[in-house]
Formats: sequence, C-alpha cells, structure tokens
Amino acid sequence: SQTIHQWPATLVQPVGSPLSLECTVEGTSNPNLYWYRQAAGRGLQLLFYSVGIGQISSEVPQNLSASRPQDRQFILSSKKLLLSDSGFYLCAWKTGFGNSYEQYFGPGTRLTVT
Amino acid sequence: AQTVTQSQPEMSVQEAETVTLSCTYDTSENNYYLFWYKQPPSRQMILVIRQEAYKQQNATENRFSVNFQKAAKSFSLKISDSQLGDTAMYFCAFKGTAGNMLTFGGGTRLMVKP
Repeated sequence: SQTIHQWPATLVQPVGSPLSLECTVEGTSNPNLYWYRQAAGRGLQLLFYSVGIGQISSEVPQNLSASRPQDRQFILSSKKLLLSDSGFYLCAWKTGFGNSYEQYFGPGTRLTVT
Repeated sequence: AQTVTQSQPEMSVQEAETVTLSCTYDTSENNYYLFWYKQPPSRQMILVIRQEAYKQQNATENRFSVNFQKAAKSFSLKISDSQLGDTAMYFCAFKGTAGNMLTFGGGTRLMVKP
C-alpha cells in the first residue's frame, strides 16, 4: 500500500531564515505530487505541483520554491522566510496513471515564523 | 475558473443523528469529479467519498452518502448515525478533466456532540 511522509511535523523558524520541508511517497512510482498551504481555519491553497522529476509548476507567485530531485521526493524551500509564510503545509500525491483523480495527503507540517 | 463554495462555516449534530453539509460549485465543464475530504484535529486530510459527474447514481461509503444535483451544481454530504469521531473539518473539492488541480471549498467545521 502507498504511504506518504512529511517532516518535520512542526517547525518554528525566525523571519529571514531558510526553510526546507520534505515529502516522500512509498509504494507507488511516477506519482503526481502537490504542495498545499492551509492558513488557520481556512481552506487549502495549491502552491506547487509536479508530474515528474525536475518538473515543477507554480500556482501562485510567492516566497517559496519547490524541487523534485527524485521520483518520490518533493521538497518545499525558501531562502528567507516571511511572517506570512506561517501555516500548515500539506503534501499530497496522486497516481500518475489511469483515470484516478483523487489526491492523498500526508500528515502535514505546521510552520510558525516568528 | 472553477469555484467551490461551502456556505456553512460551522455545524453541530447530536451523536447518532444525521447531518448534511452543503457544497456548491461553478464550472462550465460537463464532465468532472467531486470529492469530500475530512480533516480531524490531527490535521490529516482523509478522502471520504468521490463522485464522477457522468454517473447519475449518488456515491455511498458506509455512513457517508452524497446528494449530487448536476443541474443545480450542488454536491452535499450526508453523514448518518453521526459518531464522535466524525468531528472534523470537511472540505468539498472539484477536479475538472483538464489540468492537475483540485479546487477546494473553504471548509465546514462539524462538531458531533455526545
């Protein structure tokens, strides 16, 4: 069965510091991968998605970037964090094959920028 | 662009009762996919139920069922025999046939009371 991991689970970082959040998927190959941000009490905002290694699409201009160095690894980064980057970050995957469209989510990372 | 609206920010229901969460969406597409996700206090997003727009039959998963009204662009979730573990945020999501994005509604916070 497929599983998705995210780490760290929680993170407190000062403004201006760098960021690296990692997401890995097991039990599948060539997944579509997604990064979402959820502000407190709000819905999900799609940040990035990737259909393959090195292929990144950005949905909103922002202080963040994403990379996919391996098939089942998706990384969210920032060179200098802003206060507005605080939130709950969710990674999700979808099979890259067939006509299945549902996405499956990881446990999330709560980021607090101080 | 598609939009998804959940008009009930918060709802409550007594244990063992039935509750219906509303979701409406706007699209010009004829074929698409709709989902309900549950986000309990642990913050893990869990897929509850899915519906393909070309299917007239409403989807059912145990105590969860949907009322899909394509003409009205409505996709409500009914939870029967509510349990304390159903307490969570519930998100409605839309996926068109093109692209990789899920569009989420703003969520409904459901509290099941003993």
